[in-house]
Amino acid sequence: AQKVTQAQTEISVVEKEDVTLDCVYETRDTTYYLFWYKQPPSGELVFLIRRNSFDEQNEISGRYSWNFQKSTSSFNFTITASQVVDSAVYFCALSNTDKLIFGTGTRLQVFP
Amino acid sequence: DAMVIQNPRYQVTQFGKPVTLSCSQTLNHNVMYWYQQKSSQAPKLLFHYYDKDFNNEADTPDNFQSRRPNTSFCFLDIRSPGLGDAAMYLCATSRERVQTDTQYFGPGTRLTVL
Repeated sequence: AQKVTQAQTEISVVEKEDVTLDCVYETRDTTYYLFWYKQPPSGELVFLIRRNSFDEQNEISGRYSWNFQKSTSSFNFTITASQVVDSAVYFCALSNTDKLIFGTGTRLQVFP
Repeated sequence: DAMVIQNPRYQVTQFGKPVTLSCSQTLNHNVMYWYQQKSSQAPKLLFHYYDKDFNNEADTPDNFQSRRPNTSFCFLDIRSPGLGDAAMYLCATSRERVQTDTQYFGPGTRLTVL
C-alpha cells in the first residue's frame, strides 16, 4: 500500500525560528518520487521540490532544505529563519505511476 | 505569467443547480487533472485527461463530469450539486502521465452550495 503520513497537524513558531515538517511514506516500489507543495491561504498549491528515490542527497534552496532518508522512509522539510509569509499548509506527496498520494498536510503558523 | 488558470475563483450555486468550473493552461501539457479539496483535508483526485483519454477515479460520483474540448481547456461539470460538494476544486497539469512529472496547480475555485 502507498501512504504518506504527516503526523504534525499544526505547528506554531515565532518569526526567525527554524522549523521542521515531518513526512513519512510507505511504498513497495523501488522507484518513486516525493514532492512537497505549499498551500497559502489563497488556495493554490505551489510546487516546492521533487526528489527521486535514487537521490538521497540533501537539498538546500535558500531558507528551505530537505532531508531524504530511505532507511527511515522520511522526507523532512526544514525552514530556516521562518517568516510570516511562510504561513501555509504544507503537503508532502508520493508519486505512484500517474497519481499523487498526498499526506494530510501540516499547517504552519509563523507569528511576528 | 499564469500557467494554470481557473475561473471563477469563487462560485456560489444553489442546491441541485448545475455548475461548470473552468480550467485553462498555457503549458501545453498533455495531462489535466481535477481535484476536490474539502476543508482541512488533502486534495482528492476526481479524474484526469491524458490528451483526450478520460480516466475516472473509481470512487468519483456520477454527479461529476468533465470535458476537454482541446489541449488548453478542461471543464468540471457538477450536474446536481449537493451541500456535500462544497469544496475547493483544484485543476492541475503535467507534461506526461508518469511518476516523474511534476503536477502544476491552478489557484482553485471555491464552490459554495446554498
